Amino acid sequence: QKEVEQNSGPLSVPEGAIASLNCTYSDRVSQSFFWYRQYSGKSPELIMSIYSNGDKEDGRFTAQLNKASQYVSLLIRDSQPSDSATYLCAVLIQGAQKLVFGQGTRLTINP
Amino acid sequence: NAGVMQNPRHLVRRRGQEARLRCSPMKGHSHVYWYRQLPEEGLKFMVYLQKENIIDESGMPKERFSAEFPKEGPSILRIQQVVRGDSAAYFCASSPGGVNEKLFFGSGTQLSVL
Repeated sequence: QKEVEQNSGPLSVPEGAIASLNCTYSDRVSQSFFWYRQYSGKSPELIMSIYSNGDKEDGRFTAQLNKASQYVSLLIRDSQPSDSATYLCAVLIQGAQKLVFGQGTRLTINP
Repeated sequence: NAGVMQNPRHLVRRRGQEARLRCSPMKGHSHVYWYRQLPEEGLKFMVYLQKENIIDESGMPKERFSAEFPKEGPSILRIQQVVRGDSAAYFCASSPGGVNEKLFFGSGTQLSVL
């Protein structure tokens, strides 16, 4: 089982709709979770971090964490074409001092 | 305030040559991480370093790959006797105090092995 799993997509969402990106992880004791956005040919940039169960909102982005289900998600409201990118889920593996990334989900927002 | 600086942006090597990738962390950051990314894949952890220390190298291939972060100067990822399978984007990230903090990524080095 991979440490961090995401659907590779591509995920297509119409402009203005909600994009929902999902991620599961295997390390039960992980405490820190991150979403990075990566445009084609560019470096990843952090868009959200979440450490506690529940929702965390930042503008159009909402991260959701459920540690019991080992599940973290990212919702993007009012999707814009500029949101088209690959979204990488990352989990801090407790005790290993390393951030492990999923393979990423490619998101396309259709005008 | 310069970000994480990586050079070169593009590096072309023939099979059997050595590749040296450089990474200067953001000012005030003493933690450096190296990741490798193949096309259409996620980031694969390679190594985590602090000044003069390798903290975790569990993602480094056992042979041909080495990394250092000296007291002075940039972090270096060194690949000896490169093979075509080493072709990838290599990203460096830095943080001020460990992975609980936000990681800042450099622009990456695209290594192409002919």
